Amino acid sequence: QVQLVQSGAEVKKPGASVKVSCKTSGYTFISYSMHWVRQAPGQRLEWMGWINAGNGNTKYSQNFQGRLTLTRDTSASTAYMELSSLRSEDTAVYYCARVVGTNNFDYWGQGTLVTVSS
Amino acid sequence: QSALTQPPSASGSPGQSVTISCTGTSSDVGGYNDVSWYQQHPGKAPKLMIYEVSNRPSGVPDRFSGSKSGNTASLTVSGLQAEDEADYYCTSYAGSNNYVFGSGTKVTVL
Repeated sequence: QVQLVQSGAEVKKPGASVKVSCKTSGYTFISYSMHWVRQAPGQRLEWMGWINAGNGNTKYSQNFQGRLTLTRDTSASTAYMELSSLRSEDTAVYYCARVVGTNNFDYWGQGTLVTVSS
Repeated sequence: QSALTQPPSASGSPGQSVTISCTGTSSDVGGYNDVSWYQQHPGKAPKLMIYEVSNRPSGVPDRFSGSKSGNTASLTVSGLQAEDEADYYCTSYAGSNNYVFGSGTKVTVL
């Protein structure tokens, strides 16, 4: 069965960086893209960007240009999301999601809470 | 990219129907048949309910249906059940490998 298992909660200070992992199993990792979506407390889902797990090509939302880096390790079937220059507004649950086709986020990780606080 | 517009809330009694709208522009909802809908219960990850405007993944009850007209997509939940109470989000492909989510709708079963 397809599984996406994310790393644990993080607490960071403003200005720091955070790197969240998304370890996959149950499917051919390089055959699908991986997207990242975040949700601030009580707020809507916000699309951040995606990585083609096969060739490593990335696309980032304009809202995160310059601060977001998506990578993957094909040998470990794992995707990574790194967000830098953290500020309090980045406090949110971060999700990885597999996408099939153009816009079918069919499997999601369990979410990783990132808290930014001084 | 601005969020797609959804009503903040919708409600219905058990057995009734509720329809949620998702309004975008010709650059996203109106430009592509790539609208999907997600159900999210508190503290849980979203779950895919509808993809490509009107298709249901296996395992999703046929009480859930989707449609689109112009720049507005809609999700209808027929025969409301208590477990349908959740937040619902639409998302659309927005061209140039960009995506946009809706503002979210809280569905309450009265």
